[in-house]
Amino acid sequence: EAGVVQSPRYKIIEKKQPVAFWCNPISGHNTLYWYLQNLGQGPELLIRYENEEAVDDSQLPKDRFSAERLKGVDSTLKIQPAELGDSAVYLCASSLVGSGEAFFGQGTRLTVV
Amino acid sequence: ILNVEQSPQSLHVQEGDSTNFTCSFPSSNFYALHWYRWETAKSPEALFVMTLNGDEKKKGRISATLNTKEGYSYLYIKGSQPEDSATYLCAFIELYDYKLSFGAGTTVTVRA
Repeated sequence: EAGVVQSPRYKIIEKKQPVAFWCNPISGHNTLYWYLQNLGQGPELLIRYENEEAVDDSQLPKDRFSAERLKGVDSTLKIQPAELGDSAVYLCASSLVGSGEAFFGQGTRLTVV
Repeated sequence: ILNVEQSPQSLHVQEGDSTNFTCSFPSSNFYALHWYRWETAKSPEALFVMTLNGDEKKKGRISATLNTKEGYSYLYIKGSQPEDSATYLCAFIELYDYKLSFGAGTTVTVRA
């Protein structure tokens, strides 16, 4: 069974440009997470979906970040415009239920120059 | 934002030595604690899902204990090998909230 798939793996953009990340969770997993991981820190939750509903987006900087989960399956995370401080690894994870073991993608490493 | 702390931040261990490190979390509204291993260039993967006070889980040379009353969990690596080099993350799940709150991780480097 395929795991969580993220693309792209790496992205380098200039500041003020838009960028989008894509995540395909494990089939049948209702819960989808987007995490931000800065160097030397643990993953920080940006948004959590239960099916197509965003149940926790309290940590998402809504002035520049947006996310959607199409039909409760794939998800995209967008930043517009990107800032230098957005350089980080963006991890997507999914789980069967909200309290269950999370399965992670390999992440997208974003560098804003 | 929940306070989940891991210590130490990093460890250097000689091959063959044993080591352990800590995850501390809120002692109220406990639902579960997860341990993940994150190797460089790979995805974090779950090691243990712990739910009961006093739980002890083992996978090969790696084991974990859980004390929910005092809010800590230990991860032990016995006879460390170079392939154990990774960042170990713990994640606390609060009752009724059910989202993972991660610590900053302990990065273990095993020297041959």
